[in-house]
Amino acid sequence: GAGVSQSPSNKVTEKGKDVELRCDPISGHTALYWYRQSLGQGLEFLIYFQGNSAPDKSGLPSDRFSAERTGGSVSTLTIQRTQQEDSAVYLCASSLRQGVYYEQYFGPGTRLTVT
Amino acid sequence: AQTVTQSQPEMSVQEAETVTLSCTYDTSENNYYLFWYKQPPSRQMILVIRQEAYKQQNATENRFSVNFQKAAKSFSLKISDSQLGDTAMYFCAFMKHVSGANSKLTFGKGITLSVRP
Repeated sequence: GAGVSQSPSNKVTEKGKDVELRCDPISGHTALYWYRQSLGQGLEFLIYFQGNSAPDKSGLPSDRFSAERTGGSVSTLTIQRTQQEDSAVYLCASSLRQGVYYEQYFGPGTRLTVT
Repeated sequence: AQTVTQSQPEMSVQEAETVTLSCTYDTSENNYYLFWYKQPPSRQMILVIRQEAYKQQNATENRFSVNFQKAAKSFSLKISDSQLGDTAMYFCAFMKHVSGANSKLTFGKGITLSVRP
C-alpha cells in the first residue's frame, strides 16, 4: 500500500518568508510525528499527534514553528519568518498500534533551504 | 530524559565482510525499545531491526543482528556479509514504552557506513 508521503520534496525560501510543509500519513494510522534532521543537531523530535488528543509540542524549537493535523489525517508544519538555521530535512512519520508496539513509518522528507 | 550516543561518525567495510556499529544510551526507564534505522541517499528511513528491553534474546533479521547489553546500556548492530546496498547512514534510536499510547523516538547522531567493492 501507499507509504507516508511528503511535499514538497525540496523547498528553497528566502530568510523571513513563511513556509508550509505537508505530510500525508498512511491511511488509518492514528499517530503522526514530525522530526527535523540537521547537520548540527542530528535527528530531533518536533511534535506528535495522537488521535484527538492534544499534540505533544515539546520538541518545537521556537514559537515560529507550528503544526496542525486536519481530520486526523494530513498534517502541515508551518515555519514563520524562516531563519538560516531552519535549513534541514523535515521528516514525517506515522504509526499504528501492533500489539503493544507502535512502529513508525517514515516519509522521504522535505529538504528546506533558507537563503 | 533519554540520550543516545553513536561515537563513530564513519566506518568502512569490504564487501562480504562483517562490520559492527556501536551505540550506547542512557535512560532511567525500565521498559523501552531500541532500534537501528537505515537512511540511504534517498532519505527514506528504513527500520532495520528492533529490540524490546524486556527480552534477553538478541534480535536477528537475516544478515543483521544486535548485541544488547541492558546493564551496560549498549546496543550494537552487526552486519554480516556486507553488501553494496548496505551503504547508508545508520541511526540508533530509543523509544520509551508508554502503555496504550505512542511515544517519540530519540536518535543518535548517526554513522555513515560505506561498503567497498
